[in-house]
Amino acid sequence: EPEVTQTPSHQVTQMGQEVILRCVPISNHLYFYWYRQILGQKVEFLVSFYNNEISEKSEIFDDQFSVERPDGSNFTLKIRSTKLEDSAMYFCASRAPPSGASYEQYFGPGTRLTVT
Amino acid sequence: GQNIDQPTEMTATEGAIVQINCTYQTSGFNGLFWYQQHAGEAPTFLSYNVLDGLEEKGRFSSFLSRSKGYSYLLLKELQMKDSASYLCAPGYGAGSYQLTFGKGTKLSVIP
Repeated sequence: EPEVTQTPSHQVTQMGQEVILRCVPISNHLYFYWYRQILGQKVEFLVSFYNNEISEKSEIFDDQFSVERPDGSNFTLKIRSTKLEDSAMYFCASRAPPSGASYEQYFGPGTRLTVT
Repeated sequence: GQNIDQPTEMTATEGAIVQINCTYQTSGFNGLFWYQQHAGEAPTFLSYNVLDGLEEKGRFSSFLSRSKGYSYLLLKELQMKDSASYLCAPGYGAGSYQLTFGKGTKLSVIP
């Protein structure tokens, strides 16, 4: 069964450093998302991406964040200058074009980012 | 915000039935998802309701009332592996359909 993959599974970085989190969505999917979950808290939407551009973003997704689809398979989230409060699990998700009533998003296993 | 409200924790016995309720803001609402999340893992899709009524899928069923901004997830014949958080996620907005998750209901299934 096709699945969303993410690398690395765990990333430790120092405050102020740049990090790039990588995702490979399911191959025929067209909508891509990043969510984050701070330990013990709810899953929060960051950004959605369609047709090579951002379609929606939340207040969390400020100028420190950017997303890119550099080729036909990868979807990346970059944090330019990490802060302690960026420590969280980051989930990538993707979904196919709407088919009937199907809007299911498939989540990757997540990257745990620890900023020290 | 979307004011998603669901109970924080619930406990039920193996083999029993449990109902997890969720209320949400109806403005701009498209449809409602339920996801399951085991500790330390990614959310996994359980159900999606766009029309009023009950959708049944094996041991899990989900109900939606659009006018009331209300949904519930019904889990039957509970198993120990059903111990997890259950996330109510209304979808808003046209196009990207990003999910807004509630804080989740942590369900503990006991023998």
